[in-house]
Amino acid sequence: NAGVMQNPRHLVRRRGQEARLRCSPMKGHSHVYWYRQLPEEGLKFMVYLQKENIIDESGMPKERFSAEFPKEGPSILRIQQVVRGDSAAYFCASSFGTGNNEKLFFGSGTQLSVL
Amino acid sequence: RKEVEQDPGPFNVPEGATVAFNCTYSNSASQSFFWYRQDCRKEPKLLMSVYSSGNEDGRFTAQLNRASQYISLLIRDSKLSDSATYLCVVNPLYSGGYQKVTFGIGTKLQVIP
Repeated sequence: NAGVMQNPRHLVRRRGQEARLRCSPMKGHSHVYWYRQLPEEGLKFMVYLQKENIIDESGMPKERFSAEFPKEGPSILRIQQVVRGDSAAYFCASSFGTGNNEKLFFGSGTQLSVL
Repeated sequence: RKEVEQDPGPFNVPEGATVAFNCTYSNSASQSFFWYRQDCRKEPKLLMSVYSSGNEDGRFTAQLNRASQYISLLIRDSKLSDSATYLCVVNPLYSGGYQKVTFGIGTKLQVIP
């Protein structure tokens, strides 16, 4: 049973380009969360999605960032016109449900470097 | 006040020592609590859940104090392999019925030979 799969592991972009980060949740999981970890900082919540719905995007920057979780295929975190400050590790997590003690399972992350 | 606060450390301890971390949370409605471990900016991995009655898993003991709004992690007989960053995780159940897990900044532990 494969875990949470993220790709690519490393992504290098020049300023102004677009970055697309993909996340396939664990089999049977329909809840996806994206977190960002800046150097020397903790994980910051970005967005929570269920299939075809954005439930909570309160942690997403207002501009350039968007996320989706289509009916078929992986969840995508999209960053348009990247800037150096977007360089970070982006982790995706999934869960089976939303119960009190529901555990999150994390992917290996995508390390985004903006030149 | 931050939702979840941790001392970032680092805690440098000799092998075999006992070390304890605390984590405070601000939302009294928080429902569930966890400790995760993160190695060298790899993905966080669940270490243990934290229950009101306290729980133990081998050398690791977790406690919850709802009155004072903190959780703790105790590691006995520290091993070199315990060197990592320990993330406190708090899960308030929002009115929308879903969880929005909040991570602390993490406490870095370095076990020294």
